[in-house]
Amino acid sequence: AQSVTQLDSHVSVSEGTPVLLRCNYSSSYSPSLFWYVQHPNKGLQLLLKYTSAATLVKGINGFEAEFKKSETSFHLTKPSAHMSDAAEYFCVVSGTDSWGKLQFGAGTQVVVTP
Amino acid sequence: NAGVTQTPKFRVLKTGQSMTLLCAQDMNHEYMYWYRQDPGMGLRLIHYSVGEGTTAKGEVPDGYNVSRLKKQNFLLGLESAAPSQTSVYFCASNSVGSPLGTDTQYFGPGTRLTVL
Repeated sequence: AQSVTQLDSHVSVSEGTPVLLRCNYSSSYSPSLFWYVQHPNKGLQLLLKYTSAATLVKGINGFEAEFKKSETSFHLTKPSAHMSDAAEYFCVVSGTDSWGKLQFGAGTQVVVTP
Repeated sequence: NAGVTQTPKFRVLKTGQSMTLLCAQDMNHEYMYWYRQDPGMGLRLIHYSVGEGTTAKGEVPDGYNVSRLKKQNFLLGLESAAPSQTSVYFCASNSVGSPLGTDTQYFGPGTRLTVL
């Protein structure tokens, strides 16, 4: 069984400051981990994914995430927030035995202020 | 290449009515999924299919049925709609990966359903 916990339901940052979205996972197998973003009234877009290659994963729009097995974490960061980063972000886990099924975290709403 | 499309985009039903949501993908993917999204709960898997003619239950299957008669289509049915089924429904697909679970899942734009 696998699960995901997003530690913050809301994060507010100023434009130009760093963004940190925290995610812890639980998995019985070597997990694949993803971050998806959803802008208001839109579908989901993949930001990045970890699939047991490099532990530091770079994604689109300047985001990156680091897989830390010892801490069972997969936190998402961006050095400098942009107004267009305002959205909801989902940390997601999938296991090799799960037929590609995804287990979503509850989401983190990011607000960016000028 | 349209990716994953969903029909309709919006729908309002009365309690007890039935409806079918259609998902179509043109990427020749084997796996397809139906999720529902509710505030503060992320997306939860309703049903999924690992190939034409197959379906399986996900995390929240009660009150829904599905069919995968053609590889490119995955239908979600509500036989007797209830207000608790008010939600945004997303369809997704991905290819058979090696190892399983590593491929990117592609999502449709969603269907916003309100049951009065």
